[in-house]
Amino acid sequence: DIVMTQSALSLPVTPGEPATISCRSSQSLLHSNGNHYLDWYLQKPGQSPQVLMYLGSNRASGVPDRFSGNGSGTDFTLRISRVEAEDVGVYYCLQSLESPNTFGQGTRLEIK
Amino acid sequence: QVQLVESGGGAVQPGRSLRLSCTASGFSFSTHAIHWVRQAPGKGLEWVAVVWFDGNNKFYAESVKGRFTVSRDNSANTAYLQMNSLRAEDTAVYYCARGPNPWSNYYGMDIWGLGTTVTVS
Repeated sequence: DIVMTQSALSLPVTPGEPATISCRSSQSLLHSNGNHYLDWYLQKPGQSPQVLMYLGSNRASGVPDRFSGNGSGTDFTLRISRVEAEDVGVYYCLQSLESPNTFGQGTRLEIK
Repeated sequence: QVQLVESGGGAVQPGRSLRLSCTASGFSFSTHAIHWVRQAPGKGLEWVAVVWFDGNNKFYAESVKGRFTVSRDNSANTAYLQMNSLRAEDTAVYYCARGPNPWSNYYGMDIWGLGTTVTVS
């Protein structure tokens, strides 16, 4: 199985400042079609998860443009250009290249 | 309104069985995969299983393989997770989520239900 590792379990951020969340996979997530099958999900307190980014760098519908994703191979990042209070929650990366799909352990973004 | 609604959760003794349902509305259910994801109390997300749009392909996490079975009835817009030989470590909120349509672009798990709680004790 592909193991997903998020290096930080907690990330305190000052509102208005940027934030970067990292995710590493145990093998490349590059598909033969040229896409990287890496998604980012946010679970806000008391809510179901929601997709933020898919295929590494594509913002899901309705996601503000302060969110961006990049990376390739085995290393990926989610960046928030200016953190807002509504961004608090736990961020998960997910590999969907092969089954079983696997999530990272999550990074909790907190407001300072 | 595009939505998924889980049902069937509850309290059950170890070794017993439970069947969860995931009922869809507002979209073409028969063209999308359905994933099951769970979250134990205070823990992160764990992918559990997926059933492809036609029900012909199913995949499972190692932790549930041989005990859980995923299926779907496209005529009823419903997916199922049959959980047998339940263990205390299966205690979690179980979510279903919409997966990709093979004839369309990939958008990740773009629709999630509110979840149903399973307690094994």
